[in-house]
Amino acid sequence: GAGVSQSPSNKVTEKGKDVELRCDPISGHTALYWYRQSLGQGLEFLIYFQGNSAPDKSGLPSDRFSAERTGGSVSTLTIQRTQQEDSAVYLCASSLAPGQTHNNYGYTFGSGTRLTVV
Amino acid sequence: AQTVTQSQPEMSVQEAETVTLSCTYDTSESDYYLFWYKQPPSRQMILVIRQEAYKQQNATENRFSVNFQKAAKSFSLKISDSQLGDAAMYFCAYIGSNYKLTFGKGTLLTVNP
Repeated sequence: GAGVSQSPSNKVTEKGKDVELRCDPISGHTALYWYRQSLGQGLEFLIYFQGNSAPDKSGLPSDRFSAERTGGSVSTLTIQRTQQEDSAVYLCASSLAPGQTHNNYGYTFGSGTRLTVV
Repeated sequence: AQTVTQSQPEMSVQEAETVTLSCTYDTSESDYYLFWYKQPPSRQMILVIRQEAYKQQNATENRFSVNFQKAAKSFSLKISDSQLGDAAMYFCAYIGSNYKLTFGKGTLLTVNP
């Protein structure tokens, strides 16, 4: 696609339920990143994919968080047994290659999913 | 670990005036990139300008320019002839050898008509 697409745009869920957030990167972008943006905070790195593998998942806050990527394209971030502190905007970004900034002027971000846990 | 600090949580500027947003960072690497991103209410992060650390010349993109002081680890953004559409949250970001963009906490810019 022309840009990074994320769905849903907004998600309200009850505490304790599982949620899945989807990211569809730019076609051909091999690197994909998930970030979390809590209210009044900057962006917090969660996980990075190169192709279908995740060389760096150091930012996942707990074992309730997991992510996968299939076909080197779409990625899904899953949060199990959601808690109120999981409420945030989850942003996805993609780039041609890890750290590739020469030709695409940095990463391209999606518009994010606003998750509200009630 | 790299850190990025934006010391101004909020700034305001009159339309057509100039404003400077501050950013400092901490790193032990010599080769890296710095960015300013704009985040309007639509939430999408929009790249405003970037700077390669090995380049001494300050980057410029139309009304946006940076003052990059490598020794001081400072990377400020100057917006000239401010427009109402410039109102947004601005994030300074760093990327080095580990491929992770590290962000500051942002500066909320208000443009007054």
